[in-house]
Amino acid sequence: AQTVTQSQPEMSVQEAETVTLSCTYDTSENNYYLFWYKQPPSRQMILVIRQEAYKQQNATENRFSVNFQKAAKSFSLKISDSQLGDTAMYFCAFMTTSGTYKYIFGTGTRLKVLA
Amino acid sequence: EADIYQTPRYLVIGTGKKITLECSQTMGHDKMYWYQQDPGMELHLIHYSYGVNSTEKGDLSSESTVSRIRTEHFPLTLESARPSHTSQYLCASRREGTGELFFGEGSRLTVL
Repeated sequence: AQTVTQSQPEMSVQEAETVTLSCTYDTSENNYYLFWYKQPPSRQMILVIRQEAYKQQNATENRFSVNFQKAAKSFSLKISDSQLGDTAMYFCAFMTTSGTYKYIFGTGTRLKVLA
Repeated sequence: EADIYQTPRYLVIGTGKKITLECSQTMGHDKMYWYQQDPGMELHLIHYSYGVNSTEKGDLSSESTVSRIRTEHFPLTLESARPSHTSQYLCASRREGTGELFFGEGSRLTVL
């Protein structure tokens, strides 16, 4: 069975600094997708960034980038130039591309950006 | 902004009442999901659907039921609410190809 582990329940970072959120996963599949989702306080969960397992190049979206290590089954999120609006819960997620296309979420990391 | 809507946003009801949480999306997505989010914010899949007339139970045992009569509509029903059902319920739909999930704003249910 697939699992997703986020080992940092809470983190904080100073505004304008860089922070890295960790995520590891376990699967025997070769093709899958990995995601980071952001849930701001009392607001909708939205997609931050997405990575396809067959792509070696790390995904980037403006200030957000990932370090995808397929062999190590690691998928960390780096936020550069942190802003107050980045304060949120961040969830790492895994989706298979075979069978049920089921989504597996990690337990989340609560990030607080300090002014 | 995602075109997926949940109502009600907040609901306080007494034990034993029947409630239905509504979820609608206008994106034409076949795959839809219901998650229960506990106070620690962890997400638990309680139901999913791959299309009209297709529903499955998720990983977390739930006394709720769902239906999918129309592509855009995926309501969740509790026949007899109990305090243990107090939680936030999130509905989501999935875009084909990218796998991206679009979430509603959530329905926060309190059962007294």
